[in-house]
Amino acid sequence: KAGVTQTPRYLIKTRGQQVTLSCSPISGHRSVSWYQQTPGQGLQFLFEYFSETQRNKGNFPGRFSGRQFSNSRSEMNVSTLELGDSALYLCASSPRTGGQTEAFFGQGTRLTVV
Amino acid sequence: AQSVTQLDSQVPVFEEAPVELRCNYSSSVSVYLFWYVQYPNQGLQLLLKYLSGSTLVKGINGFEAEFNKSQTSFHLRKPSVHISDTAEYFCAAEWGTGGSYIPTFGRGTSLIVHP
Repeated sequence: KAGVTQTPRYLIKTRGQQVTLSCSPISGHRSVSWYQQTPGQGLQFLFEYFSETQRNKGNFPGRFSGRQFSNSRSEMNVSTLELGDSALYLCASSPRTGGQTEAFFGQGTRLTVV
Repeated sequence: AQSVTQLDSQVPVFEEAPVELRCNYSSSVSVYLFWYVQYPNQGLQLLLKYLSGSTLVKGINGFEAEFNKSQTSFHLRKPSVHISDTAEYFCAAEWGTGGSYIPTFGRGTSLIVHP
């Protein structure tokens, strides 16, 4: 079974631009969560999508948004990029939502904002 | 707000020695606990999880953790480490609030195994 696939692996953007990251979950998994990982703040939960609906949301500004398609693939968008958005963005998939569920992580997309 | 605290940012240890990575969380009410490992340039991989039942949880790669409700701790242990255990380790917790489970991660502990 293929794991969680995130594309692209690396990205360099300029302040003010927007960016879209993609995540393909493990086949059959309907829950996709996104995390931001930085040296200063650690791993922070962005949001979770399940069956194309946002189920949970972390404490991030509205510049961070996401969506999920009918095939469970998910995209995350960050608009008006700031230097502080430089981070490793991790996507994780689970077979279901509602806690108690192991999350399977992708390798991440490393975003650098210059 | 709920929180997870990993008490050590870095733990150096010699190969074949025992190790304990410490984790404390803010509340034992309706909590699920996890330990993940992250190797360089990789995503996170689940080592073990506590949902309910036995307080001693065994995971992959010889790791185990004990859920201590009174001390709100979930420390990770391994009796004998290998060089290949060098990685970043994350403790995580989920609290069910109104049916919503938002995971909270600790800052991570870097385990460095020396030969």
